[in-house]
Amino acid sequence: DGGITQSPKYLFRKEGQNVTLSCEQNLNHDAMYWYRQDPGQGLRLIYYSQIVNDFQKGDIAEGYSVSREKKESFPLTVTSAQKNPTAFYLCASRTSGGSQYFGPGTRLLVL
Amino acid sequence: QQQVKQSPQSLIVQKGGISIINCAYENTAFDYFPWYQQFPGKGPALLIAIRPDVSEKKEGRFTISFNKSAKQFSLHIMDSQPGDSATYFCAARGNTGTASKLTFGTGTRLQVTL
Repeated sequence: DGGITQSPKYLFRKEGQNVTLSCEQNLNHDAMYWYRQDPGQGLRLIYYSQIVNDFQKGDIAEGYSVSREKKESFPLTVTSAQKNPTAFYLCASRTSGGSQYFGPGTRLLVL
Repeated sequence: QQQVKQSPQSLIVQKGGISIINCAYENTAFDYFPWYQQFPGKGPALLIAIRPDVSEKKEGRFTISFNKSAKQFSLHIMDSQPGDSATYFCAARGNTGTASKLTFGTGTRLQVTL
């Protein structure tokens, strides 16, 4: 059963804490993306990776970090520098034809 | 330059009616225009997409109309059903080298009433 999985579904962050969101895909896609979704603002690009061991900042990268050590995995860390982390986080991967497919999302809440 | 403007913000349509959502863009380098459907608490699902060399694309009850000269594209949902009630996002892809990044509209919340 191919697809994109994200975990956890809900994540709670305490002030000053770094938290890591998981994204895994078994679609054999090279490119992967992280988006943040806030009400009324659509989706905004945080980071993207076109190939293993390479990634680029998107439009709102400050306070976030990523790694891409394996083709299947693209974890996102929300650092303590991100002052407004409450949002719905979406991971996507892209086919060779250019279509992006999304995972089910992780909702991050601040305690 | 990179914005995609989407309207309306919300839309109420009766069952069996036609839902129309519009998007406009400025960047003429955009080369791919997908529409996504999102249900509450779920990730967006790719619904239908079009490239600028085509003026219309139809898949089932969903049709994209594309007007290259006006830099506008729209989603039409024919025979709208209550199950179509969701938020719809348009997007446009700008190719910076091979980056293939999507710029999203702000979404339209569609409610189909009985």
